[in-house]
Amino acid sequence: SQQGEEDPQALSIQEGENATMNCSYKTSINNLQWYRQNSGRGLVHLILIRSNEREKHSGRLRVTLDTSKKSSSLLITASRAADTASYFCATDESGGGADGLTFGKGTHLIIQP
Amino acid sequence: GAGVSQSPSNKVTEKGKDVELRCDPISGHTALYWYRQSLGQGLEFLIYFQGNSAPDKSGLPSDRFSAERTGGSVSTLTIQRTQQEDSAVYLCASSFHVGAQYFGPGTRLLVL
Repeated sequence: SQQGEEDPQALSIQEGENATMNCSYKTSINNLQWYRQNSGRGLVHLILIRSNEREKHSGRLRVTLDTSKKSSSLLITASRAADTASYFCATDESGGGADGLTFGKGTHLIIQP
Repeated sequence: GAGVSQSPSNKVTEKGKDVELRCDPISGHTALYWYRQSLGQGLEFLIYFQGNSAPDKSGLPSDRFSAERTGGSVSTLTIQRTQQEDSAVYLCASSFHVGAQYFGPGTRLLVL
């Protein structure tokens, strides 16, 4: 079943602008992860944030996590055409792997050159 | 190094036939996952293997689905008596520890 819900479903911005995507979830989690998917094929792991962390950075990516609101955001700064893709948040409830990841429906990001 | 590989890349089959999908995880990764991605359901977790341990099959959508992992490495997902609603992209992922999962390119299955 879907847990994460990304918002917006689609986002189109100009190259160089910042892109912000949000994710809400319903249950308690061990960690939350963001993935990128190009052309409907394999997903690429971007960043993982644990339930006891509030913010994490990786290059042009910034992720925040608010466990009290059960929400996370992904910020991509100085966007590039190559950032065009679908972005998914995924929650890991148990931290033990047995439940797999629960993915949201994704945000489709288009970067206009 | 080599990533997760899956075969075949695409599979077209007739309703009622059996299909077998293969996943080669990253060498040394003990955890292996199968997911299904379809337009209506999004990304759906199917099954998880940790080493050679017996998997929890409760996430499989029906008893027509089965999966095995031989020698703690290669895994096969078998769908018996395929139905049109089985059409989807089947994704495999592996990880060394719990955390980031590394996905293969997927097998796109079309059941006619």
